[in-house]
Amino acid sequence: SQTIHQWPATLVQPVGSPLSLECTVEGTSNPNLYWYRQAAGRGLQLLFYSVGIGQISSEVPQNLSASRPQDRQFILSSKKLLLSDSGFYLCAWSAPPGTGGAREQFFGPGTRLTVL
Amino acid sequence: KQEVTQIPAALSVPEGENLVLNCSFTDSAIYNLQWFRQDPGKGLTSLLLIQSSQREQTSGRLNASLDKSSGRSTLYIAASQPGDSATYLCAVAFYNTDKLIFGTGTRLQVFP
Repeated sequence: SQTIHQWPATLVQPVGSPLSLECTVEGTSNPNLYWYRQAAGRGLQLLFYSVGIGQISSEVPQNLSASRPQDRQFILSSKKLLLSDSGFYLCAWSAPPGTGGAREQFFGPGTRLTVL
Repeated sequence: KQEVTQIPAALSVPEGENLVLNCSFTDSAIYNLQWFRQDPGKGLTSLLLIQSSQREQTSGRLNASLDKSSGRSTLYIAASQPGDSATYLCAVAFYNTDKLIFGTGTRLQVFP
């Protein structure tokens, strides 16, 4: 069965510090991977998605970047955090197109980021 | 602009009631629609997925319906229990894209 991991679970960082959040998926190959952010009082917003190693699409201009160095690893980064980067970050995966699936998305446990 | 709306925003009911949560979307060209559950401080748990060619899906006490022509989906919860208390999110993948557009959710509280 497939599982998705995120770490750290919680993080408190000062403004201007760097950020690295990691997401890994087990039990599947060539998944589509996604980063979402859920800010306080707001809905879930797609930040980045990836259909393969090194292939990243950005949905919203922002202070963050994403990378996919391995097939089942997705990393969210920032060089200098802003207060507005605070939120709950969720990673998700889905089977790639052409595999016969319904493209259902499955989410990880999330990382709670507080920028002070 | 493709948007997803959920009503009500919050709902509080006694245990045992049958519930209907509503989701509406602005573009009928959808690929699929997912219902999720989110417990406080936790990730999302996928409850049901309805593909665009389907009218409904059932899992246990949950039944989700889809009416593309009217841009609506409903999640029916039978015989609600306190353990059903959570936020329920509707998300739509519009045609030929893997991107999910989320509604803002319905926060459900079921009291004993």
